[in-house]
Amino acid sequence: NAGVTQTPKFRILKIGQSMTLQCTQDMNHNYMYWYRQDPGMGLKLIYYSVGAGITDKGEVPNGYNVSRSTTEDFPLRLELAAPSQTSVYFCASTRGEAGYTFGSGTRLTVV
Amino acid sequence: AQSVSQHNHHVILSEAASLELGCNYSYGGTVNLFWYVQYPGQHLQLLLKYFSGDPLVKGIKGFEAEFIKSKFSFNLRKPSVQWSDTAEYFCAVNLNTGGFKTIFGAGTRLFVKA
Repeated sequence: NAGVTQTPKFRILKIGQSMTLQCTQDMNHNYMYWYRQDPGMGLKLIYYSVGAGITDKGEVPNGYNVSRSTTEDFPLRLELAAPSQTSVYFCASTRGEAGYTFGSGTRLTVV
Repeated sequence: AQSVSQHNHHVILSEAASLELGCNYSYGGTVNLFWYVQYPGQHLQLLLKYFSGDPLVKGIKGFEAEFIKSKFSFNLRKPSVQWSDTAEYFCAVNLNTGGFKTIFGAGTRLFVKA
């Protein structure tokens, strides 16, 4: 049981480039989330999904897009990367109110 | 807007000392409460959770937390810390509304001296 799998683990982007952060879960969880973690700021919700085909904005969605074509996958797309998007990105999933299962994170640097 | 406040950003303790990390939230409705731990270089893991019932909940590795509804608090405690408890601890509130979105506090970095 792999849980929540994120790829890549590390990435360096140049300003203006685009990339997709991948997230897959094998627990058949309906709810999936993308957070970014910045030092001293905790985690901020970027986007979330309550099921396949349904996504919604979180607290800090600007500069990002998501899709949820299947229950398992919830990719996060960065368009026109900016230095402000340098962060650690965590994907998480849950069946409901039991608490989240997190992926191992993607450390992104935009230069 | 809903928020979660953690009282201390950094805590340094010696092994065997007692630990208490403060957490307050601002939300008047029904909430589920969590503490997550992030060991150096790792992802967040669930430490303990409170949904209802006994306000004193016990989690893994000897941690416990007490929910005080009147104070909107959910403080984390451990009677005797170990060097391996060095980590960052996050208090979190799930609003129990559509989407089970969770709001996280800024985190408390705990360093335990051996």
